[in-house]
Amino acid sequence: SQTIHQWPATLVQPVGSPLSLECTVEGTSNPNLYWYRQAAGRGLQLLFYSVGIGQISSEVPQNLSASRPQDRQFILSSKKLLLSDSGFYLCAWKLSGSLGSPLHFGNGTRLTVT
Amino acid sequence: QQQVKQSPQSLIVQKGGIPIINCAYENTAFDYFPWYQQFPGKGPALLIAIRPDVSEKKEGRFTISFNKSAKQFSLHIMDSQPGDSATYFCAASYSGGYQKVTFGTGTKLQVIP
Repeated sequence: SQTIHQWPATLVQPVGSPLSLECTVEGTSNPNLYWYRQAAGRGLQLLFYSVGIGQISSEVPQNLSASRPQDRQFILSSKKLLLSDSGFYLCAWKLSGSLGSPLHFGNGTRLTVT
Repeated sequence: QQQVKQSPQSLIVQKGGIPIINCAYENTAFDYFPWYQQFPGKGPALLIAIRPDVSEKKEGRFTISFNKSAKQFSLHIMDSQPGDSATYFCAASYSGGYQKVTFGTGTKLQVIP
């Protein structure tokens, strides 16, 4: 069966510090990978998605970036965090090329920028 | 045209009641409509999903009703329980392209004993 791992679960970082959040998927090959952000009490904002190694598409211009160094690894980064980067970050995967397949989410990282 | 509009924003029902959450979309290219359930501190999890060639789908106490002509779909929770208290998101996607999933803004449901 497929599983998705996301870490860390919580993170407190000062403004201006770098960020690296990691997500890995097991049990499937060539998944579509996604990073979402959820502000407190709000909906899901798509940040980045990837359909293959090294292929990253950005939905929202900002000081965040994403990379996919391996087929089932997705990394969210920032060189300098802003207060507005605080939120709940969710990684998700989806079968590629599959009609009507759902997203499968990790348990998220709660990021607080102080 | 990519939006999915969800209502209400919050909902409180008594145990045993039938909360109904509504969603509407514009893009007729959407061909997959899932609902996700999210508990505090956790990622959303797929609850139930429907395709536009079906008008209703039931899984346990959860039912999706789909009205293709009106471009609306809704979630009904029969015999709601306190354990159903969570945030519910409707979503829509289409098979083409990178299969972007568009989410509604969420409904926070509270079922009181």
